[in-house]
Amino acid sequence: DQQVKQNSPSLSVQEGRISILNCDYTNSMFDYFLWYKKYPAEGPTFLISISSIKDKNEDGRFTVFLNKSAKHLSLHIVPSQPGDSAVYFCAASASGTASKLTFGTGTRLQVTL
Amino acid sequence: KAGVTQTPRYLIKTRGQQVTLSCSPISGHRSVSWYQQTPGQGLQFLFEYFSETQRNKGNFPGRFSGRQFSNSRSEMNVSTLELGDSALYLCASSLAGTSNEKLFFGSGTQLSVL
Repeated sequence: DQQVKQNSPSLSVQEGRISILNCDYTNSMFDYFLWYKKYPAEGPTFLISISSIKDKNEDGRFTVFLNKSAKHLSLHIVPSQPGDSAVYFCAASASGTASKLTFGTGTRLQVTL
Repeated sequence: KAGVTQTPRYLIKTRGQQVTLSCSPISGHRSVSWYQQTPGQGLQFLFEYFSETQRNKGNFPGRFSGRQFSNSRSEMNVSTLELGDSALYLCASSLAGTSNEKLFFGSGTQLSVL
């Protein structure tokens, strides 16, 4: 079963606008959530994370929002830049097992000029 | 500080053979985990090693095994290769692999089974 879901396989956004990537999870044991960016044939690069005790975390142009009651998180990128074009993965882990990440299927973001 | 290093970068094997992949974690990181990425299944957790002991395991057959050395370097072995084992194998390291730690990934080993 897919415990972490990213229902949008792709997203196209104009440069300078906001990109919003969504992620849903089903496992109530998950308490730490991460977003990774990935280029083909490379390893994922960590972007931002959030603990379940928070509902928002910001780092520069990237903000992650967590809605625990809805089991939903989102990544906002403002403003979007062409270099942001990549596949974005949402991942989750349960307490004490940070190395055992459950990944979503990814969303391919295309930032156009 | 050097990142996670994986070797080799590419591998071509035939069915029935075995393969060993290597991973050197970031200096000071003691937890090493392995993931498989395929187009159909996405990124899936294989196993994690900490202090030379397997601490967590994913849902993969026994043909997939690993080990960790005293310097935290890790190897992963796949025996009796099948066509479906063709994938990008990623290694990740973290300080202790416990709560609220982010994983740092290597560039992966692209394995093709013919």
